[in-house]
Amino acid sequence: GESVGLHLPTLSVQEGDNSIINCAYSNSASDYFIWYKQESGKGPQFIIDIRSNMDKRQGQRVTVLLNKTVKHLSLQIAATQPGDSAVYFCAENMEGGTSYGKLTFGQGTILTVHP
Amino acid sequence: DTGVSQNPRHKITKRGQNVTFRCDPISEHNRLYWYRQTLGQGPEFLTYFQNEAQLEKSRLLSDRFSAERPKGSFSTLEIQRTEQGDSAMYLCASSFSTVSTEAFFGQGTRLTVV
Repeated sequence: GESVGLHLPTLSVQEGDNSIINCAYSNSASDYFIWYKQESGKGPQFIIDIRSNMDKRQGQRVTVLLNKTVKHLSLQIAATQPGDSAVYFCAENMEGGTSYGKLTFGQGTILTVHP
Repeated sequence: DTGVSQNPRHKITKRGQNVTFRCDPISEHNRLYWYRQTLGQGPEFLTYFQNEAQLEKSRLLSDRFSAERPKGSFSTLEIQRTEQGDSAMYLCASSFSTVSTEAFFGQGTRLTVV
C-alpha cells in the first residue's frame, strides 16, 4: 500500500546536526507564514510563525527565514534530536477579511534523525 | 486534556453510507476549522466557523458535505453517500479570532470508505 512519505521530499540527518527545511510559497499577498510539525497519527503541531514584514524569527532551537523576493521560507532546527523526526509543513495565511486564519499548506518534508 | 478533541479517531464505512464526525475545540476559542488530509499531502482547508456562523466554505466541500456548529462550541462534519475518494484524515483546528495565527489541531478522524 501507499505510505505517507511516498511523494514527499526527505531529509536525513544525524543527531546533533543542524537541519534546514525549505519551502516555496506561491501567494505574494500572504501575511503570515507558519511551520507545523506532524508526527505519525497526529494532527499538525504549531512550531513557529513569521509575519511578512520580517525576514527572520527565532524560537527555541528553531529559526525561520523568509525571503519574499524569491518566495522562499526555511526552517532551521539546531542540534536536531530524534524526537524532531516528523513531517514538516509550511503554511500560508492571508490576513484580513473573512479569510483570516485559513491556512494553505505546502507539500511537506519528512525529517528523519538518526541517533 | 484541554486540547482539540476529535471523535471517532477511526471510521470505516461502506460506500454510500453517511458518516458524522465530531470536534470539540479548546473551550475559549471562537474559531473552528475543518481540514482534509490525504496520504502524502498537506491539509486542505474545507470550512471554518466563528462562533456558530459558518463564514467560508472551500470548493472542496461538495453538496454531500455539511458542517455545523450549533452553539458555537463543538462542531460536526457530516458526509452523505460516502465515496471511496472521501477516504482521508479529517482534521479540526481551533483558534482565537485575533492577530494570533496559532491554530491548534486535533488528532484527526481517519475515514476509510470501502
